[in-house]
Amino acid sequence: EPEVTQTPSHQVTQMGQEVILRCVPISNHLYFYWYRQILGQKVEFLVSFYNNEISEKSEIFDDQFSVERPDGSNFTLKIRSTKLEDSAMYFCASTRAYNEQFFGPGTRLTVL
Amino acid sequence: KQEVTQIPAALSVPEGENLVLNCSFTDSAIYNLQWFRQDPGKGLTSLLLIQSSQREQTSGRLNASLDKSSGRSTLYIAASQPGDSATYLCAVRRGTDSWGKLQFGAGTQVVVTP
Repeated sequence: EPEVTQTPSHQVTQMGQEVILRCVPISNHLYFYWYRQILGQKVEFLVSFYNNEISEKSEIFDDQFSVERPDGSNFTLKIRSTKLEDSAMYFCASTRAYNEQFFGPGTRLTVL
Repeated sequence: KQEVTQIPAALSVPEGENLVLNCSFTDSAIYNLQWFRQDPGKGLTSLLLIQSSQREQTSGRLNASLDKSSGRSTLYIAASQPGDSATYLCAVRRGTDSWGKLQFGAGTQVVVTP
């Protein structure tokens, strides 16, 4: 069964460093998302992406964040200068229209 | 602004009992509602999707109902097993988008004791 994959599973970085989180969505899906979950808190939406551009972004998704679909399979989230409060589990999701969103296993980001 | 609430926050039942998990939302103009399971430190596994035009959706031991007008959904898990221990999340998609973002509740943490 097709699934969303994410790499790495765990990323440790120093404050101020850039990180890139990678996702491979399900192959026939057209809509892609990033969400995050800070420990003990709700899953919260960051950004949605369709047709090679951002469809919607939340207040969290400021200039430090960017997304890209560099080729036909990968979908990336870049954080330019990480802060302590960026420590969270980051989930990638994908969907076709009208259907359920499928989530990847997540990348745990720890900022020291 | 949409608010999604799940009560109770935690639930413990003996094996074999039926589970009833509640989800409420403040804006009834939703496109659909999705139930997920989350194991500790893991990703989100989609359990059921219920469209706004549906009243009910079933998959195996799982049954989800939706009452859009009252802003409520209930997930029933029949004959619970220790393997059902996990956190269950509900999430709604707003009414204007077939592909829009999901807004999540905080989840109900379930423990099924043998």
